[in-house]
Formats: sequence, structure tokens, C-alpha cells
Amino acid sequence: DAKTTQPPSMDCAEGRAANLPCNHSTISGNEYVYWYRQIHSQGPQYIIHGLKNNETNEMASLIITEDRKSSTLILPHATLRDTAVYYCIVRASSGTYKYIFGTGTRLKVLA
Amino acid sequence: DAGVTQSPTHLIKTRGQQVTLRCSPKSGHDTVSWYQQALGQGPQFIFQYYEEEERQRGNFPDRFSGHQFPNYSSELNVNALLLGDSALYLCASSRTGPYSGANVLTFGAGSRLTVL
Repeated sequence: DAKTTQPPSMDCAEGRAANLPCNHSTISGNEYVYWYRQIHSQGPQYIIHGLKNNETNEMASLIITEDRKSSTLILPHATLRDTAVYYCIVRASSGTYKYIFGTGTRLKVLA
Repeated sequence: DAGVTQSPTHLIKTRGQQVTLRCSPKSGHDTVSWYQQALGQGPQFIFQYYEEEERQRGNFPDRFSGHQFPNYSSELNVNALLLGDSALYLCASSRTGPYSGANVLTFGAGSRLTVL
């Protein structure tokens, strides 16, 4: 199965950009990277996904390295409500329906 | 538009009992996946249902079974409960189509099972 690796925790000052890295060196060539976050053990909330190009939506930006082995989720102006566990996930292998979650990064936004 | 709905939200069972958890997918979605999330861990894939059949299964024993109904809703059944089955059970829906591309999962709030 593919694997994702993320730092266990990060702090970010309110109003500053939060940059959350993820290593997915085993990702298949045509598989997407997805980012979700989970607040207080609620269900994971979708943030953004990407394949090769950088992506931006109203929540965040996603930067994917050219070799696709890693990516960075950017929250441009973090607020206290962004405190959560952030997961980058990939499919276990090409063609499978199983998604692999790592242990995620616990982001704490500080006032 | 209602998202993914799961019931019950919390339940307590004792060892050896059986439990059924229910999931209604997001409108327009036809595929349901179930995940188990132990405390402090990331979600683990249990299985996925599409067209009323189990399409893929993760590394879970046969005590875990499921069902999908014609209206795309789904149930997760766990028999002979163990203490280690205590977890948040998440349902995720998606849409399977004749296309290749991104497949975004929409998760429910989960059912928290405590086994005593």
C-alpha cells in the first residue's frame, strides 16, 4: 500500500500562514492527493485535492512537488477555528478503492 | 442539501454483543465506504459498497459485515464485540462514474461505539 508521512504536530500564530507538509513518495503516477481535516473527532472535512499542478480554492492552496513525492497544504491566514488534525490521503494503490490515512498533523493555531 | 447522515451518534455495548450502524449517503452519491478510527489514530478502511455489493475490503475480520440497500444507504454490522472494537465509525459516500479522475469522499460525523 501507498503511505503518507506527516509531522505529528505544528503550531501557527493566528493570522499567519500555516504550511503543512506531507510525504507521499510511493504515490502512483495517476493518483490524486487529497487533504482533509478533522475537528474534535467529528467526521473528516474535505479541503482540497490535486494531481500535478498547484491548486487553490476558498479554503487553502496545495503545492505539489514536480516529482509528486510530497505536497504542502497552505492555509494563508490561519484562524483559531483552523485548529484541527490535518490528513493528507492517497489511494492504497492504483485502481483500489481504499484510501490511506496516516496519523495526521495536529495543527494548533495560537492567539 | 443534506450531507452524509449516520446513526446512532453514540452507543454503548458489552463484549459479545452485536451492533448495527447506519449511513445515508449524500444526495447524488451511490458508493459508501466505512472506516474505523481508534482514539488518536487515523481512519482505517473497513470496506466499500457499490451496487449493493462489497466491492473491496480492508484488513478486518469477518465479524465486520455490511449491506447496501437499493436507495444507496448502508449498514455496518459488527458481531461478537471486543473491547478493541471501541472506536469512531465513519461512513463516507462518493459517486462512482465511468470516468477516471478525482474521487472526493464526503464523510459523516460518525458513530462512536464504546464496548465495555
